[in-house]
Parts: sequence; structure tokens; C-alpha cells
Amino acid sequence: GAGVSQSPSNKVTEKGKDVELRCDPISGHTALYWYRQSLGQGLEFLIYFQGNSAPDKSGLPSDRFSAERTGGSVSTLTIQRTQQEDSAVYLCASSYRNGLAFFGQGTRLTVV
Amino acid sequence: QQQVKQSPQSLIVQKGGISIINCAYENTAFDYFPWYQQFPGKGPALLIAIRPDVSEKKEGRFTISFNKSAKQFSLHIMDSQPGDSATYFCAASDQTGANNLFFGTGTRLTVIP
Repeated sequence: GAGVSQSPSNKVTEKGKDVELRCDPISGHTALYWYRQSLGQGLEFLIYFQGNSAPDKSGLPSDRFSAERTGGSVSTLTIQRTQQEDSAVYLCASSYRNGLAFFGQGTRLTVV
Repeated sequence: QQQVKQSPQSLIVQKGGISIINCAYENTAFDYFPWYQQFPGKGPALLIAIRPDVSEKKEGRFTISFNKSAKQFSLHIMDSQPGDSATYFCAASDQTGANNLFFGTGTRLTVIP
């Protein structure tokens, strides 16, 4: 596609349920990032994939969070046993050259 | 530890004025410094970027000034317009890909008509 695509755009889930958020990066981009943004706040780094290297998972807030990137393309961020504090916008970005990143529109997650 | 420090947190400027946002970093491996602009409900979008081999880069009303020795860089928005009202993030990365893309904490700019 022309840009980074994230789905769903909005997700409402009950506390304790698992959710999966999807990111389709720009074709050919080797780097993929996940960030979390709470209302009116900055970008909280979650995880970074670069080519075939081991991902940088240092930003994942707990072991309830995990992410994978299949075939060097599509990525899925999974949050298990969701909590209310997980409510935020989850942003995905991809880049060909590190730093020149293109963001998706984000998935707004609401845990009720 | 915040890899990139950004200030101010918020900024109010009159239309036609100059908006200045400052950032600082410590890691000398960083060699690419982009700025992103984010409007409410949207993802951040790349605005302008600079490499440390130049001290200034200008694109229209937007200018990045870079001070390598001080490890500081700043965004200047000349003739600020209400449509510039957004949140601005500075960032830093390593072109080799060894490092992640690190963001500042953001500056919420409001341009008053």
C-alpha cells in the first residue's frame, strides 16, 4: 500500500481479554516500530524490529505485551489480559532508513 | 533514561511570531535528527530532518539549527500560523540501524490568531 496501515482503527475490549493489533508497513521497509501514546502524552517506545536482527523489546511494559513480525513484513502486537491502563493509541511506524519513519494512523484501544 | 530531551513542553505564540523548540542528546552515535509534526487524531508525520554535517537546514518556514559540539538542535518556525498548531517531536537515530529511533517528549504548539 501507499502508507503504513494499522487495524483496527478502534478497539474496545473488556478488562482481562486479549487483543491483537496489526500493522502493515510500507513495502520494502526493513525497520518497524511500535509506540504507545496516551492522551496528550508523548510517544512511548514499545518494540523495534530491524531486518533479520533480534528485535529490541526493551520498551515493552510487561510480559503481557508481545509482538512479532512475520516474513519481515506484517507485525502483530498482542496484549494479554488487558488492563484499563493499557488504554491508549498504539502507533506503528516503518522505515527504510533509520529515522525516516512513516507512521500509521494508530489503533485507539479502550479497555472497559 | 530519556535519550532525547525536549523543551518546552508547551508553547503559545502569536500569529506571525517565531516558534522555537529545543532538543538535546547525549549519544554521539546519533547521526540523523528528524522532526515530526502531529495533529490531533493523526499519526506523527515527518516534517524536516538534518544530519550533523550541516549546521542548518531550511524548508519553507521551518528551519533546523544544529550544534554538534553542544549536542543540541532546535526547530524554528518562522511566521507561525494557526495551522501550525500541533504537537512537535524531535528525534534522533543512527543511520546504520544499530540504534532505535528515539523521540523527545513533545511540544504542544498553539498559535493564536
